[in-house]
Amino acid sequence: NAGVTQTPKFQVLKTGQSMTLQCAQDMNHNSMYWYRQDPGMGLRLIYYSASEGTTDKGEVPNGYNVSRLNKREFSLRLESAAPSQTSVYFCASSDWAGMNTEAFFGQGTRLTVV
Amino acid sequence: AQKITQTQPGMFVQEKEAVTLDCTYDTSDQSYGLFWYKQPSSGEMIFLIYQGSYDEQNATEGRYSLNFQKARKSANLVISASQLGDSAMYFCAMRKGAGGTSYGKLTFGQGTILTVHP
Repeated sequence: NAGVTQTPKFQVLKTGQSMTLQCAQDMNHNSMYWYRQDPGMGLRLIYYSASEGTTDKGEVPNGYNVSRLNKREFSLRLESAAPSQTSVYFCASSDWAGMNTEAFFGQGTRLTVV
Repeated sequence: AQKITQTQPGMFVQEKEAVTLDCTYDTSDQSYGLFWYKQPSSGEMIFLIYQGSYDEQNATEGRYSLNFQKARKSANLVISASQLGDSAMYFCAMRKGAGGTSYGKLTFGQGTILTVHP
């Protein structure tokens, strides 16, 4: 009963380093999302993929890129990490066509950029 | 643009008592959905309850109920008979109606930290 799996759980990067956060879901959902959580600001949408083959910017896309590799997988890449990207990152998926269907979240990745 | 406001950074409640967590929202859409999520100290996001904008009845799920006042644009979460395990961060979130460019994107409030005292 995996749901949404994201890796890694923790990561420390030096400023300027790059990394990719991986996310996979096994619920056959069309849509996938990347959010970041910062204290006092709730979760904010970075990028989303409405369906396989499409991606689009959310509220805070600067400094990030995404790839929807297939229906199951949606990765988030930081090309040149900055301290402002220190945050907790969540991947989520949903069957958005159903109004009352909730989004399912991964366990989160705690990223620190020093 | 949609906006969710949770004005209570922190709330305290005695075990076995009821507590209300406030959520107000702003949207020009007629069709939308409201969600509450729980985030315990372990960090995962747990879905609690959903209310649709056209639902006539307030949503209930076990000890959770949603006090939905559409005209006031509020969707407060009521937790009855609080338990120690209810201590967590609680997020209110909103999603536009299906269709158009919604694609299930959620807008979150800032969150409320609930502490349940024994």
